[in-house]
Amino acid sequence: KNQVEQSPQSLIILEGKNCTLQCNYTVSPFSNLRWYKQDTGRGPVSLTIMTFSENTKSNGRYTATLDADTKQSSLHITASQLSDSASYICVVSLMDSSYKLIFGSGTRLLVRP
Amino acid sequence: ETGVTQTPRHLVMGMTNKKSLKCEQHLGHNAMYWYKQSAKKPLELMFVYNFKEQTENNSVPSRFSPECPNSSHLFLHLHTLQPEDSALYLCASSQGLAGTDTQYFGPGTRLTVL
Repeated sequence: KNQVEQSPQSLIILEGKNCTLQCNYTVSPFSNLRWYKQDTGRGPVSLTIMTFSENTKSNGRYTATLDADTKQSSLHITASQLSDSASYICVVSLMDSSYKLIFGSGTRLLVRP
Repeated sequence: ETGVTQTPRHLVMGMTNKKSLKCEQHLGHNAMYWYKQSAKKPLELMFVYNFKEQTENNSVPSRFSPECPNSSHLFLHLHTLQPEDSALYLCASSQGLAGTDTQYFGPGTRLTVL
């Protein structure tokens, strides 16, 4: 079954600290993996997208990694800011005729001053 | 702003009401989508339109009826809803298919069914 599992479900960190969010998937055949940030009351916004051949991609203080062998991805946030408080959603795309997207349930991050 | 707008932002309706959600994209994209987002659950794809043609209906109950009059506008007509339909309804668009191109989401409509 094609699934995307994210951990932890929620996380609280202090401003300025780093954190890492995890995403494990069982999607096959794999096309690409995306990380989205969703602020409260807003729609998701794309942070990174990685294909099979890419193992790291950065967007400012956000760095995503991908290990296609173990089917794991992580999103590392450096020097967290209060504005990083949001839900982070991992999404994997199928490489078939549907190019269907499989969504994770998200990790809710709270950055405290 | 992502270039995708949704109205209304909040909607409260009774189970016998009829209402419509509107989505407009200003990005020149060819594909538009409706998603349902419930608390602590993954986004659920409802409908996909590609070049104004519906290409996917994810077993959505008939009380939800989509309409895509042109490639920039997407509607979701609601009637005889149930309390469990209360959720955030997100519209998205992409240049090509979502599996290969980035999706841009609107801010969503928070729907409450009484």
